[in-house]
Amino acid sequence: GAGVSQSPSNKVTEKGKDVELRCDPISGHTALYWYRQSLGQGLEFLIYFQGNSAPDKSGLPSDRFSAERTGGSVSTLTIQRTQQEDSAVYLCASSLVWTSGVNEQFFGPGTRLTVL
Amino acid sequence: QQQVKQSPQSLIVQKGGISIINCAYENTAFDYFPWYQQFPGKGPALLIAIRPDVSEKKEGRFTISFNKSAKQFSLHIMDSQPGDSATYFCAASRSGSRLTFGEGTQLTVNP
Repeated sequence: GAGVSQSPSNKVTEKGKDVELRCDPISGHTALYWYRQSLGQGLEFLIYFQGNSAPDKSGLPSDRFSAERTGGSVSTLTIQRTQQEDSAVYLCASSLVWTSGVNEQFFGPGTRLTVL
Repeated sequence: QQQVKQSPQSLIVQKGGISIINCAYENTAFDYFPWYQQFPGKGPALLIAIRPDVSEKKEGRFTISFNKSAKQFSLHIMDSQPGDSATYFCAASRSGSRLTFGEGTQLTVNP
């Protein structure tokens, strides 16, 4: 595909359930980022991957949140024991390795998570 | 140190007018400043970006002005069109790491 894809586009779950959100980055992009967008909080950084390693996971709000990336491509964000405050749009972005100060991050359409 | 402040929160302009959105940052280590445009139900789309060694960058109707000493940068949309109605976010990053976003500006261009 030409752009970043995310699945599912919408997810409704009950409080306490686990959810997995998937991101397929642009082919060849080595960097992958997860952000969260919620009303009143704007766009918040969650975690950054360079290849399969995560040099910056400082934005994960609690230990219920985890993410992995395999084969330097697909990434999965997992939220365990979901809470209502986890309701938000989860956005994934990818970019080529940073060179010459350029960090063009391309975003997917997001997954809208609703926790009832 | 990591914050980016954006104003105004909302902006209404007439078709053909100039839209101006301002951002200020604190961290002098930031070295990349993009603007993103977001339509409802879509992810943010990169609009235009600038590095701190340049004071202005223009792409079509969109211009970024950058003031390094004041730690401020702004987006100017010339000849604003109804199709430009969207939410605009400024952002900043350091050495290819996370983007730190402003709070967003909801732009409405009236026909």
